[in-house]
Amino acid sequence: KQEVTQIPAALSVPEGENLVLNCSFTDSAIYNLQWFRQDPGKGLTSLLLIQSSQREQTSGRLNASLDKSSGRSTLYIAASQPGDSATYLCAAYSSGGSYIPTFGRGTSLIVHP
Amino acid sequence: NAGVTQTPKFQVLKTGQSMTLQCAQDMNHEYMSWYRQDPGMGLRLIHYSVGAGITDQGEVPNGYNVSRSTTEDFPLRLLSAAPSQTSVYFCASSYSPRNQPQHFGDGTRLSIL
Repeated sequence: KQEVTQIPAALSVPEGENLVLNCSFTDSAIYNLQWFRQDPGKGLTSLLLIQSSQREQTSGRLNASLDKSSGRSTLYIAASQPGDSATYLCAAYSSGGSYIPTFGRGTSLIVHP
Repeated sequence: NAGVTQTPKFQVLKTGQSMTLQCAQDMNHEYMSWYRQDPGMGLRLIHYSVGAGITDQGEVPNGYNVSRSTTEDFPLRLLSAAPSQTSVYFCASSYSPRNQPQHFGDGTRLSIL
């Protein structure tokens, strides 16, 4: 059974720092890995989707990498801002006939001015 | 563009009552799904649908029923509510979960007394 772990569980940094959030998964047979952002009391917003054949995706100040062989993905946030404060979740979509993703428990990020 | 709309936003039930959580999307997505989010557990898939008339079980389907009569709507029914079903419920949709990002609603916060 796929297991997804996110480290750290919580992070508090001053504005302007470059950040790395980690996501590890136990089964490398995945279709894709997705990173989401969740604001308090809200649903999830998709940030980046990395296909199994890709190594990284970029959107603005965000860059996500995928290393299937080691079972790891990282989300890099450049020049963090207070507006980046949220919980970040990763989800692994396993290969096979099902469409059942496995979510990590998230990293709660606070960026203070 | 409304995206994914969930109603109600909040609901309190008594043990044994039944209710239906509504989910509608206006993006013509074939794939729709229901998750529950509990503290310390991450998101877990309840049921999903790959198109009108087709549904399947996710990771935690017991106590819930779904049907998909149209592309737009995917209601979730609690047959006999139990305190263990107290949670935040999210509906999501996508063109294809294998290579397209999922779009989430803002959730329904359900308390069962």
